[in-house]
Parts: sequence; structure tokens; C-alpha cells
Amino acid sequence: AQSVTQLDSQVPVFEEAPVELRCNYSSSVSVYLFWYVQYPNQGLQLLLKYLSGSTLVKGINGFEAEFNKSQTSFHLRKPSVHISDTAEYFCAVSDQGAQKLVFGQGTRLTINP
Amino acid sequence: EAGVAQSPRYKIIEKRQSVAFWCNPISGHATLYWYQQILGQGPKLLIQFQNNGVVDDSQLPKDRFSAERLKGVDSTLKIQPAKLEDSAVYLCASSPTGQGGWSPLHFGNGTRLTVT
Repeated sequence: AQSVTQLDSQVPVFEEAPVELRCNYSSSVSVYLFWYVQYPNQGLQLLLKYLSGSTLVKGINGFEAEFNKSQTSFHLRKPSVHISDTAEYFCAVSDQGAQKLVFGQGTRLTINP
Repeated sequence: EAGVAQSPRYKIIEKRQSVAFWCNPISGHATLYWYQQILGQGPKLLIQFQNNGVVDDSQLPKDRFSAERLKGVDSTLKIQPAKLEDSAVYLCASSPTGQGGWSPLHFGNGTRLTVT
């Protein structure tokens, strides 16, 4: 079985500052990795995914993440955040043999002007 | 394309009452999921359908929760009787396929249930 740990429940940053949201996973099999964003009162939207290939993955809205197999991590980064990035961010993992997601607890990103 | 539709958006009930949620997936999507998202937590999979068959319901509290997917399209999730700890957002998602490779999950906006 897979599990995901998001190391920070809340991350406050100033506008235009860089940000990193941390994610570690546990699995005994090969996995796919994902980051989703949830804006208030909305469903989940896919930010980016790692399926195979390059370990540096670029997503929408200027976000990127790096898959580190030895450290079982998939941290999300953005070099300069905007007020509109205020949201809840979820890291998720899926067994490559199954089509279902296991989510972390979420990280609330708050952008201060 | 139209997204995943869920109704109602909000529901308030008293404990021990029953409630039902409805989901209409994206047309042609074979796989449908129900997730429970308790405040401050990540979504937890309750049940996964492939067409009208159940693939995984290992985390569904079957003594009070039930779900069906009529004709492999729409789905309903029911809680009877509800408990206070069932207060959560119930998310429906669908994806084009459930076997081989990976297909993106498309989420609806959810139904927020408050049990008082």
C-alpha cells in the first residue's frame, strides 16, 4: 500500500517570493506521482504529474516538481508566487498497476502582499 | 467538454437521517470514483467503479454507506444513518479508462455535507 506525507500543513510566503511544498511517499512498487491544487469551494485540479522519463516535471501556472527516487520525494516549487496561487495543494501517488490516487493531508499556501 | 457534475452542492442533515449524493461523470468515462474529504485532510477513496462494476470498495463503511452506478453512467452515494463524523466534502471523479497506462482523473466540485 502507498502513503503520502506532506511535511507542512501551512506555508505562508510573500508575493513574488519562491516557495517549496514538500512531499514524501512510501510504496513497495513503482509509482506515479501527482500534485493537485484545490481553490476554495472547488474540486481538485491537476497541476503536474510524473509518470516516467525526466525527473524534473513542469506543470501549469509556473509550477514544477522534481522526483527523487532515492529520497522518495516529490517536492513542488515555484520561483515567484502570486496572490492567485493561494490554495490548498495535495500530493498524490498511484500504484502503476492501478488507476487510483492516494492523497497526502494537504498544504495550505497563503500568499501575503 | 462538460465536466463532472455533482449535486447537491450543500446538504445539512441531523444525525441518524439519510442522505444521497448524485454524480454525472464526463461522457464516455469508464471509471468513476467517490472520495471523502474531511476538513483538514486529503481526499480518501471510498469506492471505485469500472463501468457498472465495483473495483475497490475496501474503505467504504458498508454498514452505513452504499453506492451504485446505474448502467455504467451516473452514480449515487448514500449514507444511512448519518453520523457526526460523516461531515465532509464528497468528491466524485471520473477517468477515461481504468486499465493500463494512466488517465487523468477529472474531479467535480463536490458536495459539502454537514451532520448536526
